[in-house]
Amino acid sequence: DIQMTQSPSSVSASVGDRVTITCRASQGISSWLAWYQQKPGKAPKLLIYAASSLQSGVPSRFSGSGSGTDFTLTISSLQPEDFATYYCQQANSFPLFGPGTKVDIK
Amino acid sequence: QVQLQESGPGLVKPSQTLSLTCTVSGGSISSGGYYWSWIRQHPGKGLEWIGYIYYSGSTYYNPSLKSRVTISVDTSKNQFSLKLSSVTAADTAVYYCASLGPELLADYWGQGTLVTVSS
Repeated sequence: DIQMTQSPSSVSASVGDRVTITCRASQGISSWLAWYQQKPGKAPKLLIYAASSLQSGVPSRFSGSGSGTDFTLTISSLQPEDFATYYCQQANSFPLFGPGTKVDIK
Repeated sequence: QVQLQESGPGLVKPSQTLSLTCTVSGGSISSGGYYWSWIRQHPGKGLEWIGYIYYSGSTYYNPSLKSRVTISVDTSKNQFSLKLSSVTAADTAVYYCASLGPELLADYWGQGTLVTVSS
């Protein structure tokens, strides 16, 4: 079975900072990787699919990269509305989320 | 725009069956192209996929829950449902329904409903 890990589990950052989150799959998943943002009390929101494609309406400060087993989500300049928890999800087989990375205010 | 809304009891007794329904609006379940899924989130924890169904009735379940899960679809009502049997406190969670595109991406979500398992 594929396992997903994320690092770090949490990160404290300031508005304007560049933030990078890593997701790793236990076996190769090509580019079948998505990223979601979840704010407290809300459903997750799809940000990026196919590892690097931006979902419609998502600000361009969000970007994704990677293939195979290692992937990254980058927020180029953190905005106040970006403080949230971010999950990766593999879509190569039965969908599976990573454990999440909480981005909070420094 | 597709909208999803979960409904069902917020409190279930241990050993009983949890039953939830998701009503889809703004699109037809039977139009194809999408799977219809259930995802849950334990309090303060991450996301766990329960399973998903195609309008034809084909189902795909998380192996860790497969023995207790049934997902069904009612195209006449544009709804799909979740049944989770023999629940325990460990099944207390927010349950979300979501549409799952052909690339297994959850692009539309319900608001979620908290189900508490307690006597």
